[in-house]
Amino acid sequence: QSALTQAASVSGSPGQSITISCTGTSSDVGGYNYVSWYQQYPGKAPKLIIYDVSKRPSGVSNRFSGSKSGNTASLTISGLQADDEADYYCNSFTSSPTFVFGSGTKVTVL
Amino acid sequence: QLQLQESGPGLVKPSETLSLTCTVSGGSVSVGSYYWGWIRQPPGTGLEWIGAIAYGRSTYYNPSLKSRLHISLDSSTNQFSLKVFSLTAADTAVYYCARDPGYRYDAWGQGALVTVSS
Repeated sequence: QSALTQAASVSGSPGQSITISCTGTSSDVGGYNYVSWYQQYPGKAPKLIIYDVSKRPSGVSNRFSGSKSGNTASLTISGLQADDEADYYCNSFTSSPTFVFGSGTKVTVL
Repeated sequence: QLQLQESGPGLVKPSETLSLTCTVSGGSVSVGSYYWGWIRQPPGTGLEWIGAIAYGRSTYYNPSLKSRLHISLDSSTNQFSLKVFSLTAADTAVYYCARDPGYRYDAWGQGALVTVSS
């Protein structure tokens, strides 16, 4: 199975909003509302920040929001902060049934 | 609080079998509503889903790896395990175990680096 497509890098200034896209197919992202997003700092395990396309786990900042349109899911980080600088991965349930991760996006805070 | 901890060899030779165990504390692997998964990350690259198992339910594998994988669960020790057969250098990665309460991974182990080299 092929990784979901994400931009390699996205950058923004403190206080700005950025959006990370995650493109799949009708067999994964487009077919199910089971898209999740993970934040990963270097040398650390990933952390769940969005699940079921747009739900936030308890304790996750409301500056993180998720959405989906067709075969593309999106993660928006509003009010960008220095500690948002990390790698972000999307993940989707698939029809196989399995899971597939995105290729990952490095967020840089300018 | 749920905690997961991977354990296994840090170095394995090509063509051999990797055996990793994930020990769960603060929760039970026998809860059938949870899947328990393995995810890996080769150095400097992205995450790859390996497979998952649930107590009393089906086991699922990444199709591209399925022929070389076996995942099992031991409720008596509250652990689940991963075997990867016929290792190559491409299997060098940090291996994570994680809990899936429903189509997401909400708790992760710290990761175990496995290097495949002679």
